[in-house]
Amino acid sequence: DTEVTQTPKHLVMGMTNKKSLKCEQHMGHRAMYWYKQKAKKPPELMFVYSYEKLSINESVPSRFSPECPNSSLLNLHLHALQPEDSALYLCASRQGMNTEAFFGQGTRLTVV
Amino acid sequence: AQTVTQSQPEMSVQEAETVTLSCTYDTSESDYYLFWYKQPPSRQMILVIRQEAYKQQNATENRFSVNFQKAAKSFSLKISDSQLGDAAMYFCAYRSARAGNMLTFGGGTRLMVKP
Repeated sequence: DTEVTQTPKHLVMGMTNKKSLKCEQHMGHRAMYWYKQKAKKPPELMFVYSYEKLSINESVPSRFSPECPNSSLLNLHLHALQPEDSALYLCASRQGMNTEAFFGQGTRLTVV
Repeated sequence: AQTVTQSQPEMSVQEAETVTLSCTYDTSESDYYLFWYKQPPSRQMILVIRQEAYKQQNATENRFSVNFQKAAKSFSLKISDSQLGDAAMYFCAYRSARAGNMLTFGGGTRLMVKP
């Protein structure tokens, strides 16, 4: 299994809603990441989890709340988002320092 | 801080022809990794090829090869015998070999393949 699975694939939410994005991998990777990608732009790092602990938060607003319940699962909880938060949210995982990152297919989020 | 620059927002190539995508980067480090990722309309970022900075030999993966010029800080991707399925956004990326560092992406190049 060499996949990073993200659900849902698409999500439309209102500015007062609470929703969650899910990312799962069964490759035994100990580092997991959330990226945000706007249209025609490169991915921007949001959070890094290493051994289930948050190691990097790239000054992301608190309306985005990551959670790593176990080594295979990474969530991104969303609350009170703004229309400008509409983007593709990508999850990635990596085994170790000298290995490449595997990416999921992303969740296309639209905030209305 | 490291920066990665892709100077070609869009490129096009005829099917079966060869195309080269450019990438330059800026770093003060000596030990790092460079990558080319492909992002088709399916949205998934797929690793095409990777290069370790300490290796002088250019990496190759089937129809994909790189021209790594460490002194010039240049890392171009050559796609030979282009296929329709190669059409995608291509991102050049840098990662330090130091612990904890993540990928720094270039702005991307949109590759179109003409039949």
